[in-house]
Amino acid sequence: GAVVSQHPSWVICKSGTSVKIECRSLDFQATTMFWYRQFPKQSLMLMATSNEGSKATYEQGVEKDKFLINHASLTLSTLTVTSAHPEDSSFYICSARDPGQRGQPQHFGDGTRLSIL
Amino acid sequence: QKEVEQNSGPLSVPEGAIASLNCTYSDRVSQSFFWYRQYSGKSPELIMSIYSNGDKEDGRFTAQLNKASQYVSLLIRDSQPSDSATYLCAVNGGSGTALIFGKGTTLSVSS
Repeated sequence: GAVVSQHPSWVICKSGTSVKIECRSLDFQATTMFWYRQFPKQSLMLMATSNEGSKATYEQGVEKDKFLINHASLTLSTLTVTSAHPEDSSFYICSARDPGQRGQPQHFGDGTRLSIL
Repeated sequence: QKEVEQNSGPLSVPEGAIASLNCTYSDRVSQSFFWYRQYSGKSPELIMSIYSNGDKEDGRFTAQLNKASQYVSLLIRDSQPSDSATYLCAVNGGSGTALIFGKGTTLSVSS
């Protein structure tokens, strides 16, 4: 089945640090990837849609200068949380749609738990 | 605004019972429907997809689709404590766009 790899799984760092999270589709090419954030006991929140070779599309209320997204190839998208602060602590999950599957379901990475001290 | 609605639960069933999870969607032209399972602290996992009216069975899981009523359901037979999780209903929102997710129904199976 389609596999999406995300790393790191955990990040603990000091306030003001920038953190990069990688998301790779391992066995399919993903022209579109998605980044979500989820706080404890809350729903998934779509942050942005990442398109290969073009600028990401951010959801309302998500700061594009804070959350930098780069989709450099058909298998790799990165999310960089710049100058992270404690309120950025959350569970970040990437996802990619498999164009080879009917309906193009999204497959999720295992997520990155970010803790800013 | 395309929407997917689910009861948040929690839905509590005893071990061995049938759990019934329901979902309605607003966009009448939607063609693809998915169920995801999310364990606490983990990311969502695709467990079922359905595209045509009727039932689709996979092991203990049965997805049901009624496009006229804009209704999707997931039945879990012989529920096990390991089925305790949040179940997310998702609908295809269009090419290049994210799936539209419901907020999820939390299922608790007691032994």
